[in-house]
Amino acid sequence: DAKTTQPPSMDCAEGRAANLPCNHSTISGNEYVYWYRQIHSQGPQYIIHGLKNNETNEMASLIITEDRKSSTLILPHATLRDTAVYYCIVRAYSGAGSYQLTFGKGTKLSVIP
Amino acid sequence: EPEVTQTPSHQVTQMGQEVILRCVPISNHLYFYWYRQILGQKVEFLVSFYNNEISEKSEIFDDQFSVERPDGSNFTLKIRSTKLEDSAMYFCASSVMGLAFNEQFFGPGTRLTVL
Repeated sequence: DAKTTQPPSMDCAEGRAANLPCNHSTISGNEYVYWYRQIHSQGPQYIIHGLKNNETNEMASLIITEDRKSSTLILPHATLRDTAVYYCIVRAYSGAGSYQLTFGKGTKLSVIP
Repeated sequence: EPEVTQTPSHQVTQMGQEVILRCVPISNHLYFYWYRQILGQKVEFLVSFYNNEISEKSEIFDDQFSVERPDGSNFTLKIRSTKLEDSAMYFCASSVMGLAFNEQFFGPGTRLTVL
């Protein structure tokens, strides 16, 4: 799996958009970008994933650059409940390691009142 | 909304004892996984399971670990002889299929404490 680089921490004012960056410069053409988050010691929560196109769901938007070397997760209106560690994960399409999610250290997002 | 459930939420055991952690995956999912997270560390993949066979396992998943689908709803992780270093949160996950675009949904976890 390609490695990802995320800032260790970020702050965001409540009600503002939170933009979480991720660098995955060695990503392969068929590898997916996933975002999960973990609140305290709860189980990781799936947020969104994408391959090439930008994606949006009820939780967030995922913007993937044209060269696919980086992406941004956008939480449009952050609330205090969005305070969590956010993980950007690149998942292999096939072969060894394709079944697993490889978690890094993620970005600790703190939403401030 | 369907979700993955895990029992117990907290398990305390003595070193050398066997433990079984239980999970009920989402009902129409076919792939099942176990991950663990030692306090303060990353979430680590242990094993994936499909059609009553292990499809992939990590180096952590040694002979002390085993998984089983004993019936149509449960998925279990057994640790035969627990060690102090097995103390961690254990998360079960499931997905519809095992393809890269099939998201995995995680349970709330079981906190295992080995004394």
